[in-house]
Amino acid sequence: DIQMTQSPSTLSASVGDRVTISCRASESISSWLAWYQQKPGKAPKFLIYEASTLEKGVSSRFSGSGSGTEFTLTISSLQPDDSATYYCQQYNSYSPTFGQGTTVEIK
Amino acid sequence: QMQLVESGGGVVQPGRSLTLACVASGFMFTNSPMHWVRQAPGKGPEWVAGLGNDGRDKHYADSVKGRFTVSRDNSKKTMYLQMNNLRIEDMAIYYCAREGYGSGRCGVFDIWGQGTVVTVSS
Repeated sequence: DIQMTQSPSTLSASVGDRVTISCRASESISSWLAWYQQKPGKAPKFLIYEASTLEKGVSSRFSGSGSGTEFTLTISSLQPDDSATYYCQQYNSYSPTFGQGTTVEIK
Repeated sequence: QMQLVESGGGVVQPGRSLTLACVASGFMFTNSPMHWVRQAPGKGPEWVAGLGNDGRDKHYADSVKGRFTVSRDNSKKTMYLQMNNLRIEDMAIYYCAREGYGSGRCGVFDIWGQGTVVTVSS
């Protein structure tokens, strides 16, 4: 299976900060990467597909980039509602896999 | 409103069986590949199984292959997960999810249910 590794595991930032989360694949997945946001007690919410395309209705504060094995999720101006855990997911293979998550906390 | 509702979770002893169901509404279920994704406490999501829109093309994670069976009844807009020989490590919240934009092999999970909890304990 393709392994997905996220960094950092946790980050703490202030409202208005620019936040970046990294995701690395163990082999090339082209641009077949999605990002999700999960809040406690809720199902994950789909944010971005094909590494950089925002799902309809998702705030433009979120953006994604990368291809091959290195990917990034950026929150341009952190808001209190963005406090959550973020997961990347590859869908290049018949066995999709997720990263272990990055928890974003508000200082 | 597009919605998925899971049911069937509960407490079960190791080695026993359980069947989960997922009922869809608000979208064309017959056109949608569907998946089960689970999440153990404090862990990230783990894909479990998926099947194509006609139910013939099925895929399983290695961790459940040979023990779990995924199926669907398009007339009832329902997907099932038959789980046999349950293990402690199968304990998790089980979500059903719709496959959206894809690579041709798999896709994103664009609609999720609220989840059903499976507890495996003696």
